[in-house]
Amino acid sequence: GAVVSQHPSWVICKSGTSVKIECRSLDFQATTMFWYRQFPKQSLMLMATSNEGSKATYEQGVEKDKFLINHASLTLSTLTVTSAHPEDSSFYICSASLAGSNTGELFFGEGSRLTVL
Amino acid sequence: SQQGEEDPQALSIQEGENATMNCSYKTSINNLQWYRQNSGRGLVHLILIRSNEREKHSGRLRVTLDTSKKSSSLLITASRAADTASYFCATSGGGAQKLVFGQGTRLTINP
Repeated sequence: GAVVSQHPSWVICKSGTSVKIECRSLDFQATTMFWYRQFPKQSLMLMATSNEGSKATYEQGVEKDKFLINHASLTLSTLTVTSAHPEDSSFYICSASLAGSNTGELFFGEGSRLTVL
Repeated sequence: SQQGEEDPQALSIQEGENATMNCSYKTSINNLQWYRQNSGRGLVHLILIRSNEREKHSGRLRVTLDTSKKSSSLLITASRAADTASYFCATSGGGAQKLVFGQGTRLTINP
């Protein structure tokens, strides 16, 4: 149980285009999802907290208009990288917490590798 | 920033030996968690230790937490080649569920 699926697992796009990444909780409801990005051989940096039915909370330094987050249902959050540039190339990982759980454990997707040419 | 530091950044040992990784953090926490990441993959939760706990075991894993020193350690006993991965500690605190990750330790187990 508690499986989080991300799609696509990898994507290559041209500079200036927008890319949407989906994060789904397959067998549980997630009122909160988190989006992280990870550069090669570095740690995960939290980008934003996505709450179902409300606006996402972005971390300092993360551009809201650049990284659009939508959490329209209890099982799906999407991250759209708008007008992508080569410096946006990274590994994007989402995680979700079990609705109603107080264990503190998060369940992570397999990540989506974005390459912007 | 609450982001912690881990040491060593990289560790290479022989199969069968024990591996110890350390994590330090800066602010008060509710819990500290350890995750494992194989290259290019997502994260797998290993173990969670609460702020009122000092030690926890899970199989070959042993985690300690010293809140007075704001530090934690992860011990993997009888290491196997399949343990090769990056290991991250992550903390949450202040009522928030979000996790702040340490820099990670890249562990290599040599056959």
